[in-house]
Amino acid sequence: GNSVTQMEGPVTLSEEAFLTINCTYTATGYPSLFWYVQYPGEGLQLLLKATKADDKGSNKGFEATYRKETTSFHLEKGSVQVSDSAVYFCALTPNAGGTSYGKLTFGQGTILTVHP
Amino acid sequence: GAVVSQHPSWVICKSGTSVKIECRSLDFQATTMFWYRQFPKQSLMLMATSNEGSKATYEQGVEKDKFLINHASLTLSTLTVTSAHPEDSSFYICSARDWRVMNTEAFFGQGTRLTVV
Repeated sequence: GNSVTQMEGPVTLSEEAFLTINCTYTATGYPSLFWYVQYPGEGLQLLLKATKADDKGSNKGFEATYRKETTSFHLEKGSVQVSDSAVYFCALTPNAGGTSYGKLTFGQGTILTVHP
Repeated sequence: GAVVSQHPSWVICKSGTSVKIECRSLDFQATTMFWYRQFPKQSLMLMATSNEGSKATYEQGVEKDKFLINHASLTLSTLTVTSAHPEDSSFYICSARDWRVMNTEAFFGQGTRLTVV
């Protein structure tokens, strides 16, 4: 079956530091890949996505590139802010257009804390 | 666009009672909705896939008689936790997909925090 593995957290950084959160996946075919962010006590917000190999998703300074050869989708940001403190989830969904599209398999989540 | 509303945001109920959680797609039609459960400081686990006009598909290990799902219209799915017990306390989140648009992701509601006392 499908699975997503994220780097262990929590991650603690100083403001303006560089962020990398590793994510690797196992899936059949060509899944779509996502990063979601969850702020305390809230639901999930889509941060970025990529639907095919070599696609780069980007939003709010965050980036991730769909690497099929390494089955990875690492999240990066060049300069984090205190407001980026949240839990980040990597996720995948089966091939676009299939009836299961939208059914997400999540990684375990990575807690990010950014200090001033 | 693509707004999913979940109600209530939080609920406290007594052990043995039933609780209904609603998931609505406000500005699109969703033939498929998904229900997830999140334990504290853990990831989200898919409970079931809700299909409009048909029975829900439950993931392995999820009790269908305890977690009743109804998807009576293209904009509403409900999850009823029957005979709730303290171990059912959790964060429940739904997501909905716009079936008319290819390659669109599912959009999430804001979640419902259930506490059973």
